Amino acid sequence: NAGVTQTPKFRILKIGQSMTLQCTQDMNHNYMYWYRQDPGMGLKLIYYSVGAGITDKGEVPNGYNVSRSTTEDFPLRLELAAPSQTSVYFCAGAKMGGTEAFFGQGTRLTVV
Amino acid sequence: EDQVTQSPEALRLQEGESSSLNCSYTVSGLRGLFWYRQDPGKGPEFLFTLYSAGEEKEKERLKATLTKKESFLHITAPKPEDSATYLCALSGGYQKVTFGIGTKLQVIP
Repeated sequence: NAGVTQTPKFRILKIGQSMTLQCTQDMNHNYMYWYRQDPGMGLKLIYYSVGAGITDKGEVPNGYNVSRSTTEDFPLRLELAAPSQTSVYFCAGAKMGGTEAFFGQGTRLTVV
Repeated sequence: EDQVTQSPEALRLQEGESSSLNCSYTVSGLRGLFWYRQDPGKGPEFLFTLYSAGEEKEKERLKATLTKKESFLHITAPKPEDSATYLCALSGGYQKVTFGIGTKLQVIP
């Protein structure tokens, strides 16, 4: 039982490049989330999904896109990377909305 | 707007020196208050959920308590392996979870 798995662990992007952060879970979670974590700030919600085919914006969605074609996978797409997107990104899953979440190990992204 | 404030920002304890971390919150309707532990370079790890004032939960050297305005994470006789950042979060609705910045705990042998 792997839980929530994120890839890659580290990535350096140049300004204007695009990439996809992968997230997969084997816990049968209906809800999945993408957060970013910056020094001195709490985790900020980027996007979330309540089930396959259903996604919605969180607190800081600009510059990102998501899709959820299956229950297991919830990739996060960065288009036209900007230095402001330098951060640590966490994917998480939960059985129900507003309940305890289980997090992946994170992706540390640097945009230069 | 839901708010979570954690204090202190950092805490340094000697091994065996008990203490408490504070999480003050404001929310219109609390669905749950969560405590997580986060080790450097790792994702947050779920510890506890508290649902109503007066509730307490324990796990090894940790005990979480909840009042209508605050939650405390009590650490009894901590060990160096308890060193981590402890995050408090609350749910005020089905989609909305608000996280605090965390308390960085260092336990010195």
